[in-house]
Amino acid sequence: SQKIEQNSEALNIQEGKTATLTCNYTNYSPAYLQWYRQDPGRGPVFLLLIRENEKEKRKERLKVTFDTTLKQSLFHITASQPADSATYLCALDRMDSSYKLIFGSGTRLLVRP
Amino acid sequence: DTAVSQTPKYLVTQMGNDKSIKCEQNLGHDTMYWYKQDSKKFLKIMFSYNNKELIINETVPNRFSPKSPDKAHLNLHINSLELGDSAVYFCASSGGWDSYEQYFGPGTRLTVT
Repeated sequence: SQKIEQNSEALNIQEGKTATLTCNYTNYSPAYLQWYRQDPGRGPVFLLLIRENEKEKRKERLKVTFDTTLKQSLFHITASQPADSATYLCALDRMDSSYKLIFGSGTRLLVRP
Repeated sequence: DTAVSQTPKYLVTQMGNDKSIKCEQNLGHDTMYWYKQDSKKFLKIMFSYNNKELIINETVPNRFSPKSPDKAHLNLHINSLELGDSAVYFCASSGGWDSYEQYFGPGTRLTVT
C-alpha cells in the first residue's frame, strides 16, 4: 500500500536560516505532490503543488523539489521567520484516484527569533 | 469572506446521540470532501462529492452519512455516536478537473463523552 513518511520530530531552526523538510513515499509513483501548512486549531492551507514531470517549483520564499527516482520531495523555506512556525503536511494523490490525497503526519517547524 | 466554512466549530455530545456538521464553500468548486484528523494528526479522507454525486466513499462506518443538497454544500450526519468518533472533522473543496489543490474549512472538533 502507499505510504508517506515525514519526520515526526520537530525541526527547530534560527530565524533567517533555511528550513528543509523531507517527504518520502513508497509503493507508488504519484502524478503530483502537494505541500500544506497547518496551524494549531486550523485547517490545512495549500502552499504548492508539483507534478511528476517537474523537478522544482518556487513561490516567494518557498521551494519544492520532486525526485521521482529517490521517491522524495524536499520543501525549503528560505530566510525563515517565526511566523513560519507551523506543521507542514505533504500529500500525494492515490493510485486509485487523482482526487484522493494521502497525507503524511506532518513535520512541526519551530523558528526561533 | 470565508471560502470554506463549517458549523459548528466545537461539538460535545454523549455516546449514542446523532449529530450533524454543515459545510459550505463559496469558491464555485465542483468537488467537496470530508476528512477526519485523529489525535495523531493523520488526515484521512472519508467522502467526496462531485456536483452533488458521491465519488469517494472510504471504509467508514455506515453510521456516517454525507448529504449534498447542492454543489456548494456538503453536510455530514453521524448516528449513534461512539467514543472513537472523537476527532477533528474537516471539510474541503477543490476546483475539479486538473485542479487538485484542496481548500479546507476551519474544522469541527467533535468530542464524544
